[in-house]
Amino acid sequence: DAGITQSPRHKVTETGTPVTLRCHQTENHRYMYWYRQDPGHGLRLIHYSYGVKDTDKGEVSDGYSVSRSKTEDFLLTLESATSSQTSVYFCAISESTGGSGYTFGSGTRLTVV
Amino acid sequence: LAKTTQPISMDSYEGQEVNITCSHNNIATNDYITWYQQFPSQGPRFIIQGYKTKVTNEVASLFIPADRKSSTLSLPRVSLSDTAVYYCPLYNQGGKLIFGQGTELSVKP
Repeated sequence: DAGITQSPRHKVTETGTPVTLRCHQTENHRYMYWYRQDPGHGLRLIHYSYGVKDTDKGEVSDGYSVSRSKTEDFLLTLESATSSQTSVYFCAISESTGGSGYTFGSGTRLTVV
Repeated sequence: LAKTTQPISMDSYEGQEVNITCSHNNIATNDYITWYQQFPSQGPRFIIQGYKTKVTNEVASLFIPADRKSSTLSLPRVSLSDTAVYYCPLYNQGGKLIFGQGTELSVKP
């Protein structure tokens, strides 16, 4: 969607290597979220941010860390990638905490071999 | 956090009305019900939101009974382009959307 960009779109990495996914927004929205999507599980919240340097854990945060040093960027890092982290990762932004205001990016497909 | 339950899949034909039900037995007083649509290789997109009774917009209607333990998304006269996965995430006081598995709707000609 316009205003939110995820990079890279696809990535293949080896087990044990660190990986960083980037979410960039041009909407100046305060709230940002990282989800992962897997067959049979829908979307699950990994981490979220309510502002610069203000982040918290979601449902499935083990093995992931995040950073938000600027309003426009929210980084998701897999410190040591495992095969169980093979997934499609979606970033979302919202201006407020209302559920209708989420805009999702196009996703990053990550494969850990 | 309240969980939602939906049928895994549904089939329909062009021109029919489709009703997708979502169960949320443990919904909290302050939870709102939202519905999102997701096409392949895209992120989810907001459709409609409600708290109780009925809400209608240009795309769909949302019916919520008085006990709020379920909700029904109604899509009038579906077309092939409505083939997608539909989610009914709740959002809680912390402002985070919590998704379930979703319903895969297939519209046939």
